[in-house]
Amino acid sequence: EIVLTQSPGTLSLSPGERATLSCRPSQSVSSSYLGWYQQKLGQAPRLLIYGASSRATGIPDRFSGSGSGTDFTLTISRLEPEDFAVYYCHQYSSSSHTFGQGTKLEIK
Amino acid sequence: QVQLVQSGAEVKKPGASVKVSCKTSGYTFSKYFIHWVRQAPGQGLEWMGIINPSGGSTTYAQRFQGRVTLTRDTSTDTVYMDLSSLRSEDTAVYYCARDHYTYSSSSCTYWGQGTLVTVSS
Repeated sequence: EIVLTQSPGTLSLSPGERATLSCRPSQSVSSSYLGWYQQKLGQAPRLLIYGASSRATGIPDRFSGSGSGTDFTLTISRLEPEDFAVYYCHQYSSSSHTFGQGTKLEIK
Repeated sequence: QVQLVQSGAEVKKPGASVKVSCKTSGYTFSKYFIHWVRQAPGQGLEWMGIINPSGGSTTYAQRFQGRVTLTRDTSTDTVYMDLSSLRSEDTAVYYCARDHYTYSSSSCTYWGQGTLVTVSS
């Protein structure tokens, strides 16, 4: 099973700042099969990025994904108040999918 | 519009089974795989398995093998998740989610509202 390690566990930033979230698989993952989700308290997750770098429908262009192999990144260029939430990466290149443990993005 | 509507909250005793339904609408049921993902209180997301509604084939996460069964009813466009031998650690919100691409297993684009399953004696 591929383990996804996300860092940092918690990221404290202010609105308007840039956020950089990391996801590192324990084995190489095809960039076609890496996604990112946002989850707010009490809500279901929302797909932000699929295929490592493609934005899902309706996702603002301040969200971007990049990376390959064992190093992937989600970047939020300028934080809006509604962006403070928990973010998960997800891989589906093996027959069994896995999620990272999450990064909590909190207001500084 | 695409909708996934799950059944209501459940309270079960240890050792019992629970069956959660996920009724879909707004798209062609047979074309998109359905995932099940759970989230224990205050914890992260955990992928449980996936079903191909077209033929009914399934893939389960190793840690749930033998305890989880995914089925579908093509007459009502509904998918079911059955989890047996429940223990307190199975207390969680269970989500169904539709895949992004047709006839493939990839990311989860549309999600149900979640079903809270509480396991308590």
